[in-house]
Amino acid sequence: AQTVTQSQPEMSVQEAETVTLSCTYDTSENNYYLFWYKQPPSRQMILVIRQEAYKQQNATENRFSVNFQKAAKSFSLKISDSQLGDTAMYFCAFILNFGNEKLTFGTGTRLTIIP
Amino acid sequence: NAGVTQTPKFQVLKTGQSMTLQCAQDMNHNSMYWYRQDPGMGLRLIYYSASEGTTDKGEVPNGYNVSRLNKREFSLRLESAAPSQTSVYFCASSELRPATQYFGPGTRLTVL
Repeated sequence: AQTVTQSQPEMSVQEAETVTLSCTYDTSENNYYLFWYKQPPSRQMILVIRQEAYKQQNATENRFSVNFQKAAKSFSLKISDSQLGDTAMYFCAFILNFGNEKLTFGTGTRLTIIP
Repeated sequence: NAGVTQTPKFQVLKTGQSMTLQCAQDMNHNSMYWYRQDPGMGLRLIYYSASEGTTDKGEVPNGYNVSRLNKREFSLRLESAAPSQTSVYFCASSELRPATQYFGPGTRLTVL
């Protein structure tokens, strides 16, 4: 079974600074996807970024980027120039690409951006 | 496009009552899912439907039933609600590949 671990329950950072959220996962498979989802106080789950395991290049979406280390099974999220609107819970998630469509989530990191 | 919609947004039930949570998507996705989110935990899969006419159990199916009414709609039913089912429920949909799931706004359910 696949597992996803987020070891930082809470983090805080000053506005405009850079912050990195950690995620590790465990799988014996090679073909999978990894995601970061953001859940602001509104409760909506919003996709932040996606990484395909077969791609060596790290995914980037504007101020959000990942550091994907496949051998180490590590998938961290970097938020640059943090903004007040980045305050949210962040969940790391994993899914196999076999047609097994069960998304496995970590327990989340609560990120607070301080003005 | 509304994406994934869920009704109701909030619900309070008494133990033993039944209710159905509704979910609809307008993205023409084949796959749909129901999750629950409890404090301090990530989302856990209750049931999913890989395509119209099929449903499968997820990690925590006990106490729930589902119906994939058509390609757009996927409902979750609690036949006899229990306090342990107090949670926030999310519906999601995706294409088979890429496997990105898109979520509805959630339903906060309280069972007294």
